[in-house]
Amino acid sequence: DQQVKQNSPSLSVQEGRISILNCDYTNSMFDYFLWYKKYPAEGPTFLISISSIKDKNEDGRFTVFLNKSAKHLSLHIVPSQPGDSAVYFCAASGTSNTGNQFYFGTGTSLTVIP
Amino acid sequence: NAGVMQNPRHLVRRRGQEARLRCSPMKGHSHVYWYRQLPEEGLKFMVYLQKENIIDESGMPKERFSAEFPKEGPSILRIQQVVRGDSAAYFCASSWAKNTEAFFGQGTRLTVV
Repeated sequence: DQQVKQNSPSLSVQEGRISILNCDYTNSMFDYFLWYKKYPAEGPTFLISISSIKDKNEDGRFTVFLNKSAKHLSLHIVPSQPGDSAVYFCAASGTSNTGNQFYFGTGTSLTVIP
Repeated sequence: NAGVMQNPRHLVRRRGQEARLRCSPMKGHSHVYWYRQLPEEGLKFMVYLQKENIIDESGMPKERFSAEFPKEGPSILRIQQVVRGDSAAYFCASSWAKNTEAFFGQGTRLTVV
């Protein structure tokens, strides 16, 4: 039962343009969401998070948007850089009735073309 | 300000041997999570521990796998009598509280031959 879904396995974007990575979730009890970036043979690196009391959180080139009614979040990277090429995972957790884990999507592989 | 430290980075075991994976959380973090990533798959939750306590092991196989997080020392994920299907990358993450950002280690890549 995949409670967090990333339906696009891959995405290619030109350098300098905007990258938009999408994530959907099914459990309405999730109230905390995170994005991680992962390079091959390395551990995931925390990028940015958002709690359900917000609908937007920004950190430099990275912005996460949360649409609770649609159970959808997205990560915007602008401008995209070649070093952003990696696999991006979204994750979700909740304070009650959701278990004790972070639920991860299956990842989207982003390629930024110079 | 060391991050989450996992060792070894690479571990090769023959079928039937035991594998021990270690994880030292970030300083000040008392919550530890173990995840497994099989080739071409996402991160699958295994177990969540706080100091000396297993809080949630719903993702752990019922047999051969165990985890601990003693009062002193690193968290240990132990796999007994390894089989080829145990070959995967095992990641440990830590956080200072539940539902705060979790930081991951570099992972241990287990290969069973």
